[in-house]
Amino acid sequence: AQTVTQSQPEMSVQEAETVTLSCTYDTSESNYYLFWYKQPPSRQMILVIRQEAYKQQNATENRFSVNFQKAAKSFSLKISDSQLGDTAMYFCAFMGSSNTGKLIFGQGTTLQVKP
Amino acid sequence: EPEVTQTPSHQVTQMGQEVILRCVPISNHLYFYWYRQILGQKVEFLVSFYNNEISEKSEIFDDQFSVERPDGSNFTLKIRSTKLEDSAMYFCASSEREGGYGYTFGSGTRLTVV
Repeated sequence: AQTVTQSQPEMSVQEAETVTLSCTYDTSESNYYLFWYKQPPSRQMILVIRQEAYKQQNATENRFSVNFQKAAKSFSLKISDSQLGDTAMYFCAFMGSSNTGKLIFGQGTTLQVKP
Repeated sequence: EPEVTQTPSHQVTQMGQEVILRCVPISNHLYFYWYRQILGQKVEFLVSFYNNEISEKSEIFDDQFSVERPDGSNFTLKIRSTKLEDSAMYFCASSEREGGYGYTFGSGTRLTVV
């Protein structure tokens, strides 16, 4: 069975600095998708970034980028120039290649951006 | 930007009562999902739904749960006889395509069973 592990329950960063959130996963599949979702205090789940496992290039969305290490089954999220609005819970998630679209989430990392 | 709409935002119900959580997915989306998040814990998959039938369901989704798309626009989750441990945030999501394109989540319904 696939699992997703986020080993950092809480992190903090100063505004304008860079922070990296860790995620590891376990799967026997060769093709899959990985995601980072943000959950601010409003509890809405917002897609931050996605990565297709067959693409070696790391995904980037503005200040958000990932470091995808397929052999190590690692998928970390880097947030550059952190802003107060980045304060939220961040979830790493895995989707296998079956077409049911099921997402498996990690436990989440609470990120606080300090002024 | 199109949204997934969930109603109500908060529902309080007595243990043993039936509840129906409602969702209006984005209009051209074909794949629908329910997830739940017990307070402070991770988000857990309940069920996926496509072409008017369940594609996959988790162990949590037992006989007390059912889903329906009654009129082509709403997507509902019914819990037949609620238990205290059903208290959680329930998220509906939809996607236009299958596979790893990511979903759009609704803002959730907080269910409190007393």
